[in-house]
Amino acid sequence: DVKVTQSSRYLVKRTGEKVFLECVQDMDHENMFWYRQDPGLGLRLIYFSYDVKMKEKGDIPEGYSVSREKKERFSLILESASTNQTSMYLCASGQGLINEQFFGPGTRLTVL
Amino acid sequence: EDQVTQSPEALRLQEGESSSLNCSYTVSGLRGLFWYRQDPGKGPEFLFTLYSAGEEKEKERLKATLTKKESFLHITAPKPEDSATYLCAVQRGGKLIFGQGTELSVKP
Repeated sequence: DVKVTQSSRYLVKRTGEKVFLECVQDMDHENMFWYRQDPGLGLRLIYFSYDVKMKEKGDIPEGYSVSREKKERFSLILESASTNQTSMYLCASGQGLINEQFFGPGTRLTVL
Repeated sequence: EDQVTQSPEALRLQEGESSSLNCSYTVSGLRGLFWYRQDPGKGPEFLFTLYSAGEEKEKERLKATLTKKESFLHITAPKPEDSATYLCAVQRGGKLIFGQGTELSVKP
């Protein structure tokens, strides 16, 4: 079974803090993705990566950056957290051109 | 513009009452349509991929079908444990476009 793990299930941070969310997959997938999910707005793509050290902007990259130094690990960074970044953050991985994505359990981030 | 629309937004069924969820899409050159199940507070769980019109896939009480404009997720004789939000997504390039989901509640 594909396993995608995320570093925290719940996280509470203060405005202005730098926040790191980590994601690890164990299936040697090339593609990794970061989404946020908000009520009424659905799943929105923040960043994705097709290979190590590669990154592409998704639909809502503002206020975020990413890092992919190893194939299995994809990190999402909030340089200076703001209250409007309070959300559920979901990581996913997938392989190949037909992109079935497998999701992690999610991190519920609250920024106070 | 590529778009995915799911209906209804919410569906309440009695246990054993079969029904269908709809996913309408507009995308140039469909490469794949995906169904996911999401339980509250958890990540989406992959269910099916459909590639071309006429294709059908089944898993337990769920059956997914695909036409050129929409996909249906048929639920036969649902049980309370089928209660969840069901998400539909289509592939655009290397990315997925998700619908808003249908929240299914099955009462005993």
